[in-house]
Amino acid sequence: AQSVTQLDSHVSVSEGTPVLLRCNYSSSYSPSLFWYVQHPNKGLQLLLKYTSAATLVKGINGFEAEFKKSETSFHLTKPSAHMSDAAEYFCVVSDQGSGTYKYIFGTGTRLKVLA
Amino acid sequence: DADVTQTPRNRITKTGKRIMLECSQTKGHDRMYWYRQDPGLGLRLIYYSFDVKDINKGEISDGYSVSRQAQAKFSLSLESAIPNQTALYFCATMGQGEGQPQHFGDGTRLSIL
Repeated sequence: AQSVTQLDSHVSVSEGTPVLLRCNYSSSYSPSLFWYVQHPNKGLQLLLKYTSAATLVKGINGFEAEFKKSETSFHLTKPSAHMSDAAEYFCVVSDQGSGTYKYIFGTGTRLKVLA
Repeated sequence: DADVTQTPRNRITKTGKRIMLECSQTKGHDRMYWYRQDPGLGLRLIYYSFDVKDINKGEISDGYSVSRQAQAKFSLSLESAIPNQTALYFCATMGQGEGQPQHFGDGTRLSIL
């Protein structure tokens, strides 16, 4: 079975400082991994995805994530936080190999950006 | 226009009422999903469908039913609503192939009194 763990439920950073949101996964298959962002009263927007190509994945709005198989991690980073980055972020693993194409969601990390 | 549209966006109703949440999409995707989101729990899968004749239960299907009226339409029903079904509900679609992202609607906030 596949699973995903977001290690922090809340993260606070100052504007202009780096962002690190941590995600560990468990998978019996070669996983597809995603990060989504959810702003208040909005749906989930795809930030980036990993699907067994380059291990360093670049996404929208300056975010990137690195797939580390040895550490079973897929942490999300951004060099410099902006006020507009304040939102909830979800790490997702795709349930590949079972034919169901289901997503397994982490419980989310709420990012707060301080002025 | 949004690619995945959910109606209504907000709904308040009473215990025991039947409720239908609707989802329509213009992405031409065969795969559609219904999730509920509760604080601190992430999104949990209720039902999913790969085409009009295919309906599958997710991890929390009890108390819910769905209908896939057409490729573009996937409705979620609560036959007799109860307060612990108060949540934010999302519809999503996915294209063919491995490693595809899901595309989400803006959600329906449902409150059951």
